[in-house]
Amino acid sequence: KAGVTQTPRYLIKTRGQQVTLSCSPISGHRSVSWYQQTPGQGLQFLFEYFSETQRNKGNFPGRFSGRQFSNSRSEMNVSTLELGDSALYLCASSLGQDRGRKYFGPGTRLTVL
Amino acid sequence: DQQVKQNSPSLSVQEGRISILNCDYTNSMFDYFLWYKKYPAEGPTFLISISSIKDKNEDGRFTVFLNKSAKHLSLHIVPSQPGDSAVYFCAASGGVSNNNDMRFGAGTRLTVKP
Repeated sequence: KAGVTQTPRYLIKTRGQQVTLSCSPISGHRSVSWYQQTPGQGLQFLFEYFSETQRNKGNFPGRFSGRQFSNSRSEMNVSTLELGDSALYLCASSLGQDRGRKYFGPGTRLTVL
Repeated sequence: DQQVKQNSPSLSVQEGRISILNCDYTNSMFDYFLWYKKYPAEGPTFLISISSIKDKNEDGRFTVFLNKSAKHLSLHIVPSQPGDSAVYFCAASGGVSNNNDMRFGAGTRLTVKP
C-alpha cells in the first residue's frame, strides 16, 4: 500500500497570506489527523477528521481550519499567516475506529516570512 | 495543554549500552500509549505500543514499561545502536469511546555514539 502523502513538501509564504496543505491517507483509512511540529513543542494536535466530519480539535485559533473529502483526502487551511506559524505540518491517517497507531506523512515545511 | 510530557530534550549514550527514554502523562483517561521515532525530513514512524492493561511490552531490542499509578512510561533500547539516533516521541490516547485523539510529547533526541 502507498503511504501517506502530503503536498507540497515545502512552502514559503509571507505574513497575512493564506495557505492550503493537502494530505492523502493510506487507502482504506478514514481518519486523518493534523499536527504542528515546532522545536521544543513537539507535535501539537490541530484536529482530526473522520468520514468528512471533524471529530476532535486541539487548542489552535480559528485561523486554522480543515476539511475532509468523501475519498478521505484532507486539506488544512491557515489564513492570515503569522511568523509563528512557521513549522512542519504533519498529517497522519488511521483506520479511525480504534485508538491505535497512526501512520504519518513526511510533512509540509511551511516558512512564513 | 501538555498532557504528555517528555522532560529530557536530549539523551546521549554509547553504542551497546542501554538507552532509557521517559514520558509522563497527566490525563488518567489515557489507556493506550505509543512510541514513535522520527528521522530528519521524515514523518514519525511507529515503534512500539502498550495498552493500560499491561505493564510491559517487548519487541526485539525495544521494551516499553508502564507505571499507571505514577502516570509514567519509559522506553528501553538494549543494546543501543548508532542507527537508533533519532527523535523519539511518546504518545497517548484514550478516554471517550471511539475517540481517536492522540497527544504527543515534545520529543527526546537520542544520540548513540559509536
